[in-house]
Amino acid sequence: QLQLQESGPGLVKPSEALSLTCTVSGGSITNSGYYWGWIRQPPGKGLEWIGTISYSGSTYYNPSLKSRVTISEDTSKNQFSLKLSSVTAADTAVYYCARLRPQWPEDWGQGTLVTVSS
Amino acid sequence: EIVMTQSPATLSVSPGERATLSCRASQSISSNLAWYQQKPGQAPRLLIYGASTRATGTPARFSGSGSGTEFTLTISSLQSEDFAVYYCQQYNDWFLWTFGQGTKVEIK
Repeated sequence: QLQLQESGPGLVKPSEALSLTCTVSGGSITNSGYYWGWIRQPPGKGLEWIGTISYSGSTYYNPSLKSRVTISEDTSKNQFSLKLSSVTAADTAVYYCARLRPQWPEDWGQGTLVTVSS
Repeated sequence: EIVMTQSPATLSVSPGERATLSCRASQSISSNLAWYQQKPGQAPRLLIYGASTRATGTPARFSGSGSGTEFTLTISSLQSEDFAVYYCQQYNDWFLWTFGQGTKVEIK
């Protein structure tokens, strides 16, 4: 059974970079037919797509975040990662990683809360 | 950017009753719409994709309909486990997804 687990710091200082990793078990991130992505949800608010990486390593980013986002993969560890630079309080959110079909998230991680605060 | 508008923001329904949730797109998205259910403290769960296709494990009491700009999620007979927040998501533009703001289904 596929499992996704987010990991990374829960507290990031303003202007610094947020880095999260999603570890996938029960399936390979290089399996064609699936893409992998990040979605976030500010406390008490709705969902926002951040970006996607394909099984071949192609990336797609939300235009509103594109200048600050990098998604990468480590196929040897079956992981993919998110880096969001120059964070502000507005980036405080629960960050989810997900397996995509490829245009909708089919399986989700449990999410990890990242707070931006000094 | 395609804007998704869900209504109502909150829907109060008694167990066993029918619930009808609406989602409107700011431009036509064909049938490129998914629905998710989210319970407190949990990740969203995919219910419907392609506007009307139930995802694996989605109970038959959930049904989706619509195309173009108007979409509906219907829960035919609400069970206690169905009280949650529901989101729609359009994926008409390749990786330019947007979500609605959510409809909370609460116990009346």
